[in-house]
Amino acid sequence: QKEVEQNSGPLSVPEGAIASLNCTYSDRGSQSFFWYRQYSGKSPELIMFIYSNGDKEDGRFTAQLNKASQYVSLLIRDSQPSDSATYLCAVPGYSSASKIIFGSGTRLSIRP
Amino acid sequence: DAGVTQSPTHLIKTRGQQVTLRCSPKSGHDTVSWYQQALGQGPQFIFQYYEEEERQRGNFPDRFSGHQFPNYSSELNVNALLLGDSALYLCASSFKAGGHRGTDTQYFGPGTRLTVL
Repeated sequence: QKEVEQNSGPLSVPEGAIASLNCTYSDRGSQSFFWYRQYSGKSPELIMFIYSNGDKEDGRFTAQLNKASQYVSLLIRDSQPSDSATYLCAVPGYSSASKIIFGSGTRLSIRP
Repeated sequence: DAGVTQSPTHLIKTRGQQVTLRCSPKSGHDTVSWYQQALGQGPQFIFQYYEEEERQRGNFPDRFSGHQFPNYSSELNVNALLLGDSALYLCASSFKAGGHRGTDTQYFGPGTRLTVL
């Protein structure tokens, strides 16, 4: 079983709609979770991190964490064409506080 | 405030050769982690350097080695290159706050695209 799982997509969402990206993880002890955005040919950019159960909002982005279900999601409101990218879910590795384990990413496409 | 820098941007090598990639961390950061990202995959952790020592290592062979210098910059060396080593190599820097299971936030450099022919 992969430690971090994401649907590879592509996920196609009309401009202005809400994009919902999902991620599940296997290590129940995971405490923190990250969402990175990666444009084609570029490096990952940290856009959200969440430590506590519930929602965390930052502008148009909302991260949702449910530790009981081992599930973390990212909502993007009022989707823009510039949001088209691959979104990587990431969690700390079990044996280290600093190693990060990434999912394979979900490719998001915002259609005008 | 300079971010994470990496050099070179692109590199083409042939099988069996050796390569050295370089990374300078973000100002104020003391920890460097290296990742390999194959096409269509998420980054895979190679190893991490802190206080000039390798602290953690992922599932990569000994052909992959590294070094950290007193100014916190780092090098990744790959010997006996294989076709499968073709990937984007990412350096990420962070400040080791001594957190326990929490992770110090890592910021990525632009990457080095390595092509092995």
